[in-house]
Amino acid sequence: GQNIDQPTEMTATEGAIVQINCTYQTSGFNGLFWYQQHAGEAPTFLSYNVLDGLEEKGRFSSFLSRSKGYSYLLLKELQMKDSASYLCAVRGLRSNDYKLSFGAGTTVTVRA
Amino acid sequence: ETGVTQTPRHLVMGMTNKKSLKCEQHLGHNAMYWYKQSAKKPLELMFVYSLEERVENNSVPSRFSPECPNSSHLFLHLHTLQPEDSALYLCASSQDVQGTYEQYFGPGTRLTVT
Repeated sequence: GQNIDQPTEMTATEGAIVQINCTYQTSGFNGLFWYQQHAGEAPTFLSYNVLDGLEEKGRFSSFLSRSKGYSYLLLKELQMKDSASYLCAVRGLRSNDYKLSFGAGTTVTVRA
Repeated sequence: ETGVTQTPRHLVMGMTNKKSLKCEQHLGHNAMYWYKQSAKKPLELMFVYSLEERVENNSVPSRFSPECPNSSHLFLHLHTLQPEDSALYLCASSQDVQGTYEQYFGPGTRLTVT
């Protein structure tokens, strides 16, 4: 099975940087996804990591360390619209693995 | 707009009612999923369909019955639900069930069982 842990809530100021950590314990590993979900809306895909290192996409970056079972999502130059829940999800490793195991999500509140 | 639509957006039903949730994807994907999202809990995968064939049934009670008539449509039929089934039900699709394809989610149906 999979065990995905991430903080429940984080608060930051507009223009600042916030780092959301995600740790996982899995029977195998075949990729980690980050999704953003605004209240009352669908989760939307942000990033995917399968190899160690940093993936940068504009203001958002995602990092992965497979040996440590650890990832983070870095949000830079925070804007009010970044207030949302951020979901970490891990794909396991088995012959027909399509199942994503999700963390409970981290609610980020951006204050003016 | 992610290309995945769900109806209704909100549903209130009694424990003896029968209702259905509908999902449609306009992305030409081959895989579709049903998830349950309860407050402060991780998304729970319920069912997976690949090319209209069910490939995963994640120990879901029989009061939830999925149907996939074609690769663009997915239904979740509900009957004799319990109050603890109240949650947000999300539909998703992806290019295929395997590989590294991300999933595209619909806005969900907020279900309240009274």
